[in-house]
Amino acid sequence: GAVVSQHPSWVICKSGTSVKIECRSLDFQATTMFWYRQFPKQSLMLMATSNEGSKATYEQGVEKDKFLINHASLTLSTLTVTSAHPEDSSFYICSARVQTGSYNSPLHFGNGTRLTVT
Amino acid sequence: GQNIDQPTEMTATEGAIVQINCTYQTSGFNGLFWYQQHAGEAPTFLSYNVLDGLEEKGRFSSFLSRSKGYSYLLLKELQMKDSASYLCASYSGNTPLVFGKGTRLSVIA
Repeated sequence: GAVVSQHPSWVICKSGTSVKIECRSLDFQATTMFWYRQFPKQSLMLMATSNEGSKATYEQGVEKDKFLINHASLTLSTLTVTSAHPEDSSFYICSARVQTGSYNSPLHFGNGTRLTVT
Repeated sequence: GQNIDQPTEMTATEGAIVQINCTYQTSGFNGLFWYQQHAGEAPTFLSYNVLDGLEEKGRFSSFLSRSKGYSYLLLKELQMKDSASYLCASYSGNTPLVFGKGTRLSVIA
C-alpha cells in the first residue's frame, strides 16, 4: 500500500518551455503533498507544500510564479516548471503522507522526475 | 529552525556492521526518520523513532536519544546492495520533513 506515482520519469526540454510533472497517490487520499528538489550529491530541499483545494505554500526562495502547483483532487498534484532554464535542471520528487490522524506516518515518495533543460 | 548533521561518506566491508550517526537541533521535535536512497532513485522509508531507544527491523536498526538530539542507523550483515545514501530527517509539529545531507555508504568486498 501507500504508493505514490510520479510522471514522467525523465524529461528533456528546451530553454523557455514549460514542463508539467504529475504526482498521484494510487491507493490513498492525500490532502497534502510535498514537492522536493535534489541537485547532484545534495540533500532533498523542500520546494512547496501542495494543499488540496487551496493555494500551495512555498518555501523561502522558491518562486511561486515559476513553479506552479495545482492540487485539484485528493489524489493528484501537479508541478509546472514555467519558462524553464538550464539551472532548473534537477531531480524533482513528490511525496505524500497517508492521513492516519497521527503525525508519525512516514512520507512516501514518487520515483522522481529528472528534468534536463537544454 | 532545524539543523541536521550526519557524516558525508562512510565505507564498510561486506558482512560487517556499520553505524551511521545523525545529530539534530530542532524546535518542537516529534520524530526522526531514516531513508535509503540509491543513486538516481527516490528515497525509500527505512525506520521511524519518536521515543528513546532502539527500533529493530531485520538487518536495520535505528536508535534515538531525544535528550541528546542524537540518532543512529545500524546496518548488520552488510551486502553490496546496501551501498546507497542514507538520509536522516526530522519532523517537528505539523511541518514537512527536513532532511540532512545524507551519508553516502560504500560497501566493499
